[in-house]
Amino acid sequence: KQEVTQIPAALSVPEGENLVLNCSFTDSAIYNLQWFRQDPGKGLTSLLLIQSSQREQTSGRLNASLDKSSGRSTLYIAASQPGDSATYLCAVGDYKLSFGAGTTVTVRA
Amino acid sequence: NAGVTQTPKFQVLKTGQSMTLQCAQDMNHNSMYWYRQDPGMGLRLIYYSASEGTTDKGEVPNGYNVSRLNKREFSLRLESAAPSQTSVYFCASRADRGRGGYTFGSGTRLTVV
Repeated sequence: KQEVTQIPAALSVPEGENLVLNCSFTDSAIYNLQWFRQDPGKGLTSLLLIQSSQREQTSGRLNASLDKSSGRSTLYIAASQPGDSATYLCAVGDYKLSFGAGTTVTVRA
Repeated sequence: NAGVTQTPKFQVLKTGQSMTLQCAQDMNHNSMYWYRQDPGMGLRLIYYSASEGTTDKGEVPNGYNVSRLNKREFSLRLESAAPSQTSVYFCASRADRGRGGYTFGSGTRLTVV
């Protein structure tokens, strides 16, 4: 059974600082890894999708890397803004996703 | 707007009551999913449907039933609600393997008293 862990559970940074969010998984035979953002009381918004043949994906200030051999993915958010405050979820899988519990980020103005 | 639509957005049930959560997607996706989200835990898969006419159990199927009505719609039914089913329920869809990630609905907040 795939286990997905996200550390830390919560993170608070001043505006402008770069964010580094970690995701680890136990079974390296993954197909996809997807990062989501969830605002309080809202649904999940897809941020980045990394397929197993890829090592990273970038979208604007966001960059996600994937290292299957070590069972890790990292989401980098450059020059954080208060609007980046949210919970970030990592999920791995193909027909079925296994989710981490998320990292709640607060960016202080 | 294209996407996944869930109804209702909020619901309060008494223990033992039944209800159906509705989900529809307009992206012509083959696969649809129901997840529940509880505080401090990741989303957990309840049931999924890889294609029209098929359904399979996920990680936490007990107390639930599903129906893949057609390609667009996938409903989740609670036959006899229990307080342990208080949760936020998310529906999701996906095209096919290798053709993109998952799209989620905005969720249904269910409270069973």
